[in-house]
Amino acid sequence: AQSVTQLGSHVSVSEGALVLLRCNYSSSVPPYLFWYVQYPNQGLQLLLKYTSAATLVKGINGFEAEFKKSETSFHLTKPSAHMSDAAEYFCAVSAIQGAQKLVFGQGTRLTINP
Amino acid sequence: GAGVSQTPSNKVTEKGKYVELRCDPISGHTALYWYRQSLGQGPEFLIYFQGTGAADDSGLPNDRFFAVRPEGSVSTLKIQRTERGDSAVYLCASSLFGGNEQFFGPGTRLTVL
Repeated sequence: AQSVTQLGSHVSVSEGALVLLRCNYSSSVPPYLFWYVQYPNQGLQLLLKYTSAATLVKGINGFEAEFKKSETSFHLTKPSAHMSDAAEYFCAVSAIQGAQKLVFGQGTRLTINP
Repeated sequence: GAGVSQTPSNKVTEKGKYVELRCDPISGHTALYWYRQSLGQGPEFLIYFQGTGAADDSGLPNDRFFAVRPEGSVSTLKIQRTERGDSAVYLCASSLFGGNEQFFGPGTRLTVL
């Protein structure tokens, strides 16, 4: 069984500040991990993914995430927030083999203050 | 190229009615997934197709929900005797065979009055 916990349903940061969105996972098998972003009234867009290669993963729009097996974490960071980063962010886990259905966290709404 | 498309974008129906939601995956993608996203929640898995067959339907909430993919491309999610609790955004995603990246459509917002 797999599950994802996103700590903080709502995160607010100032423009130019560090963005840190937390994700912890539980998986009985080696996982793939993903971060998706959802802008208002739009579909989910993949930001980045961990697929058992490098543990530090770089994605689009300046985001990156680090897979830490010992902490079962996959936190998302961006050094300097931009107004356009305001959106809902979802962490997800899937199994490496098999159906690879995604199990999502509850989401974190990121607000950027000018 | 064209992404995943879903129709209709919005569907309003009355309790007890039957609805069909359509998903057109990216051409060449053999895997197709349906998810449901309730307000304020993350998407929840419903069903997964590999080709024409449902490889995993463990997420379907009950027997009022059914999905088909007769030719291995377009898929239809069917909901019988709709209930107000079925109101949600229904998302479709597709991927290449063996691929680990799912591409999502814009979703169908279903409202059951």
